[in-house]
Amino acid sequence: KAGVTQTPRYLIKTRGQQVTLSCSPISGHRSVSWYQQTPGQGLQFLFEYFSETQRNKGNFPGRFSGRQFSNSRSEMNVSTLELGDSALYLCASSGRTDSTGANVLTFGAGSRLTVL
Amino acid sequence: DAKTTQPNSMESNEEEPVHLPCNHSTISGTDYIHWYRQLPSQGPEYVIHGLTSNVNNRMASLAIAEDRKSSTLILHRATLRDAAVYYCILRGLQGAQKLVFGQGTRLTINP
Repeated sequence: KAGVTQTPRYLIKTRGQQVTLSCSPISGHRSVSWYQQTPGQGLQFLFEYFSETQRNKGNFPGRFSGRQFSNSRSEMNVSTLELGDSALYLCASSGRTDSTGANVLTFGAGSRLTVL
Repeated sequence: DAKTTQPNSMESNEEEPVHLPCNHSTISGTDYIHWYRQLPSQGPEYVIHGLTSNVNNRMASLAIAEDRKSSTLILHRATLRDAAVYYCILRGLQGAQKLVFGQGTRLTINP
């Protein structure tokens, strides 16, 4: 089955602009989460959505927002971009917890954002 | 969230076993131990997970200490494609999608 699809894969913006990134989860997965990866901070959790509701949020400023649609697709938005927002943004989806207690996340390849 | 500690880097040779250690001394009784790896230019991918008993799957084995304060990911015959950053993560039962990634172990495989 198709994996997690993120678009666009690469984009360049300038400071002050805003950006919207898209994520299509694996079919049937209702949980979607977003992560930011930078060389300095590593992988950091941004937020999680389940059935169109934000279920958890990481420690990021309000410029970072997201939403989830009824088909489980998700978008994240970053407004008033700063140089430090340059990063790889990763989306992950998961389905039900299985019999072993696992709730495995499947990650997309990411959207690499460069802010100039 | 309980924290894990891993060596920053490790090196091994192709076709040899690799043992990647992880310390998690503050693990709680309901925390599962998950391993993910991130290959170059890709998102992380799930490798294996366990609670108390050792686990095997087609990718690797997971050996969990009896007191659960440490675990070891075992790649039985490393290939060049196993070169990646390996992350050891603790997750509660029915855990939300918030994974707390440490710095991981960068594994280099020599041909």
